[in-house]
Amino acid sequence: NAGVTQTPKFQVLKTGQSMTLQCAQDMNHNSMYWYRQDPGMGLRLIYYSASEGTTDKGEVPNGYNVSRLNKREFSLRLESAAPSQTSVYFCASSEDADNQPQHFGDGTRLSIL
Amino acid sequence: AQKITQTQPGMFVQEKEAVTLDCTYDTSDPSYGLFWYKQPSSGEMIFLIYQGSYDQQNATEGRYSLNFQKARKSANLVISASQLGDSAMYFCAMADRGSTLGRLYFGRGTQLTVWP
Repeated sequence: NAGVTQTPKFQVLKTGQSMTLQCAQDMNHNSMYWYRQDPGMGLRLIYYSASEGTTDKGEVPNGYNVSRLNKREFSLRLESAAPSQTSVYFCASSEDADNQPQHFGDGTRLSIL
Repeated sequence: AQKITQTQPGMFVQEKEAVTLDCTYDTSDPSYGLFWYKQPSSGEMIFLIYQGSYDQQNATEGRYSLNFQKARKSANLVISASQLGDSAMYFCAMADRGSTLGRLYFGRGTQLTVWP
């Protein structure tokens, strides 16, 4: 009964370090998404992938890259972390991109010092 | 312009009472979907209810119902018989076809507190 699994759950980085957030879903969903949540801002879309092999920018893509490794996995990479990227990151998936509910992972709390 | 507006930063309700959380949206697309999510203090995002723009009936899921008023562009969440476990942040969200396919626009949320 895993659904969407994100790793790690918590991470502290120094400015300039790189890291990859991992996301995997076991619901055979086509579409996957990365959001960030900042206080008082709701969730904002960073990148999404409508299907295996495709990725597109969302509202706040600067400083991030993504890889849709296969249908199950969608990773988010910070190449050179900045304090402004301190946030909670959520991965989500949906059956397709046509008004289907998105199911979220538990989030990754990322702090950049 | 904001696509989703939640005007209530915080709401309080007594246990067993009903509460309405407000949400208005902005889109010119005739085809869109409206969603409500619950985020407890533990942080996960839990899908509650969905309303499609062409649905004739208001959506219901157990104690949750969506009061959909298309002409007013509002999609309020009604929680009946509130429970202590309903205390959480609630987000209204919308997906339309006009922009990033499948992208959800989120409001800033309403913090609901249920008191005994």
